[in-house]
Amino acid sequence: KNQVEQSPQSLIILEGKNCTLQCNYTVSPFSNLRWYKQDTGRGPVSLTIMTFSENTKSNGRYTATLDADTKQSSLHITASQLSDSASYICVVSGRDNTDKLIFGTGTRLQVFP
Amino acid sequence: DAGITQSPRYKITETGRQVTLMCHQTWSHSYMFWYRQDLGHGLRLIYYSAAADITDKGEVPDGYVVSRSKTENFPLTLESATRSQTSVYFCASRPLDRATYGYTFGSGTRLTVV
Repeated sequence: KNQVEQSPQSLIILEGKNCTLQCNYTVSPFSNLRWYKQDTGRGPVSLTIMTFSENTKSNGRYTATLDADTKQSSLHITASQLSDSASYICVVSGRDNTDKLIFGTGTRLQVFP
Repeated sequence: DAGITQSPRYKITETGRQVTLMCHQTWSHSYMFWYRQDLGHGLRLIYYSAAADITDKGEVPDGYVVSRSKTENFPLTLESATRSQTSVYFCASRPLDRATYGYTFGSGTRLTVV
């Protein structure tokens, strides 16, 4: 069964610290992997998109990595800010029908001053 | 402001009532989607549409109806609401080039069925 699992479920860090969120998937065949940020009460907003041939993608203080061999991805946040408090969702699409995205349940990040 | 808008933002309805959630996008994106988000689950696809008058079922379509008479609008109707349909509903859209461009989501409609 195609699945996307994220860890940890929740994370608390202090402002200015770095953190790394994990995503493991079993989707096969694989087309691309996306990371989204979802603020409370809002829709998800795209952070990065990576195809199977890419192993890193940056968007400001956000850096995503992908290891297609081990089916793992991570999202690293550098110098966290209070506004980084949100849920981060890993989303994978398979090559057969990439509109049927498979969403992880997200990691809830809280950044405290 | 251009974008994708959903209405209403919040809705409380009674079991058995029909309710329609609206979604409007201003980019003329070909594809539009409806998802529901529940605790303990990732977003799940209800229905999607590749163009006007073309719709298809997603993962959890039972109890829902969609239509797409115009490219910019994609309403979702719960024909006879049930408590299990209490959820947050998100509309999304994307252009033809899905590999390059991400999906853009609306702000959601929080629906409570009592």
